[in-house]
Amino acid sequence: QSVLTQPPSVSAAPGQKVTISCSGSSSNIGNNYVSWYQQLPGTAPKLLIYENNKRPSGIPDRFSGSKSGTSATLGITGLQTGDEADYYCGTWDSSLSVVFGGGTKLTVL
Amino acid sequence: EVQLVESGGGLVQPGGSLRLSCAASGFTFSSYAMSWVRQAPGKGLEWVSAISGSGGSTYYADSVKGRFTISRDNSKNTLYLQMNSLRAEDTAVYYCAKVVGEIPDAFDIWGQGTMVTVSS
Repeated sequence: QSVLTQPPSVSAAPGQKVTISCSGSSSNIGNNYVSWYQQLPGTAPKLLIYENNKRPSGIPDRFSGSKSGTSATLGITGLQTGDEADYYCGTWDSSLSVVFGGGTKLTVL
Repeated sequence: EVQLVESGGGLVQPGGSLRLSCAASGFTFSSYAMSWVRQAPGKGLEWVSAISGSGGSTYYADSVKGRFTISRDNSKNTLYLQMNSLRAEDTAVYYCAKVVGEIPDAFDIWGQGTMVTVSS
């Protein structure tokens, strides 16, 4: 059971928009930055968003992040088949540890 | 090119030990905190441990506290994870990752991972 809660799966058609939620508590998301990762099959995770809404160099602006209270959301617009992957949220916790969500599998129909 | 390359994984019996290494290149290694994150087969990401740039501060997941030790040699640009008293549930791909900021809450560079299998 992960500390952060994500939906197991989401799906949408190519070109559409999808959002992935990440729910936590005041011990983690409520008082810390959230990051998001994309993991394509058989590869290492890749940072998409850090500090709630910042994109590393090279990440297209189709990917966005937001946070409100103890929840965070990853948004992906203009869906492409290449976006099919597992997505994870993560944050620092008051227990002096990093916590991740259980992951969300994105299917582009 | 910024790169992290892990090594040291393999098959080990329950109760055994293993030391993982992560060679860093392309950035000023000593200026950044580093971390280990693992992923059991077919499962999600699990954070394992983190260490500050100087090595003076270390953090551990409860699941490995007292069994695993993170360390670094800034003169060799290398991160380590000493794993003792290994259990079947430690079986996973172990990734080393570079921390973005001062708090190890985001990781912008990841290695390719090294597989650790704990089995008799």
